[in-house]
Amino acid sequence: EAEVAQSPRYKITEKSQAVAFWCDPISGHATLYWYRQILGQGPELLVQFQDESVVDDSQLPKDRFSAERLKGVDSTLKIQPAELGDSAMYLCASSLRDRVVGSTDTQYFGPGTRLTVL
Amino acid sequence: QKEVEQDPGPLSVPEGAIVSLNCTYSNSAFQYFMWYRQYSRKGPELLMYTYSSGNKEDGRFTAQVDKSSKYISLFIRDSQPSDSATYLCAMSDRGSTLGRLYFGRGTQLTVWP
Repeated sequence: EAEVAQSPRYKITEKSQAVAFWCDPISGHATLYWYRQILGQGPELLVQFQDESVVDDSQLPKDRFSAERLKGVDSTLKIQPAELGDSAMYLCASSLRDRVVGSTDTQYFGPGTRLTVL
Repeated sequence: QKEVEQDPGPLSVPEGAIVSLNCTYSNSAFQYFMWYRQYSRKGPELLMYTYSSGNKEDGRFTAQVDKSSKYISLFIRDSQPSDSATYLCAMSDRGSTLGRLYFGRGTQLTVWP
């Protein structure tokens, strides 16, 4: 069964350092999402891509976070510099392009990268 | 006030019990309602997907949506220890891929043998 791949699974860094996370969506999925999930909370969307284009980055802290999906396949999320409050699980999800409103197509999540900032 | 409210629990029940999980929301534009299950240190996986109001059943799981009360529920019948996980409700106004998903904080469930 196809899965969303993420690496690394765990990352420990010191504040002010740069970190990067990688995501490979399910083959053929045009839409890719990055979420942040703080312990004890639900995921919150950071950025959404349709192919290589950003369609929603309204919740992305652009002073320190950046995301790219250059060829419309895999994606990288970067934080520079990391802050203590960035400690969280970073989840990537993907979905087929939803051509029909009301369809049951949905988002498939990867295992996440757990970031600890010291 | 968050757009989606969910009691975090924890909820602890014996094997075989009926479990009821609930969320309330404030945005009347939400039409698509989902329940995800998340095991420890894993990503969420979709359990149920419902459009608009009504009930949907899938095996031991039943999802209910009451849009007039802005209230959704997930029922688990004959609960099993393997059901122990965090259950997240999620909702959207334009479909799960057209629009942003808004998640509740999750309810932690433990089913003991």
